[in-house]
Amino acid sequence: SQELEQSPQSLIVQEGKNLTINCTSSKTLYGLYWYKQKYGEGLIFLMMLQKGGEEKSHEKITAKLDEKKQQSSLHITASQPSHAGIYLCGADLLTGANNLFFGTGTRLTVIP
Amino acid sequence: EAEVAQSPRYKITEKSQAVAFWCDPISGHATLYWYRQILGQGPELLVQFQDESVVDDSQLPKDRFSAERLKGVDSTLKIQPAELGDSAMYLCASSPGLPETQYFGPGTRLLVL
Repeated sequence: SQELEQSPQSLIVQEGKNLTINCTSSKTLYGLYWYKQKYGEGLIFLMMLQKGGEEKSHEKITAKLDEKKQQSSLHITASQPSHAGIYLCGADLLTGANNLFFGTGTRLTVIP
Repeated sequence: EAEVAQSPRYKITEKSQAVAFWCDPISGHATLYWYRQILGQGPELLVQFQDESVVDDSQLPKDRFSAERLKGVDSTLKIQPAELGDSAMYLCASSPGLPETQYFGPGTRLLVL
């Protein structure tokens, strides 16, 4: 959607390298969700952030929501081939319903 | 672990034909969503149900698309007639309520020839 911009659109990294994916909104993010999608499959929920400055980690993936709640980043430490896929951010822009607006995704390739 | 079920996983049809997709949400989840995802883009909401009631169908092309959730459990999305531009992944998601994390099914990939 035009409400959310993700960068980069694609990323190729060597196994073991760190990487960061960004999700930026022109509106305040009231709930920010990170999902991972393998090609041709459904979305797998990773993490949800709601509070400005909040940071959550799961295994080697860390997500942050900035203080102004208009940008989130997803950081992967020591990437592995299993991290490969499409990462999507989805946001609740408080439009009156629990609709998620999604970015266009970041395609991650990890080279062994 | 409970999952959202969808069928079929793949559907090939000719334009002007009717197609239907089925979704069974996680047990107890009151809210059900249908999204359409065009290749290379993020999902876009088509319709949202709260129990058996439609909460939001503002993005549903109502001249050809219909959705129902008669008993507030599983749901069907229908397209009649299908057009070439309908080729996409159709994703179903459910959540316990508003606002809650949405859990997605594996999707139905539709190809209209």
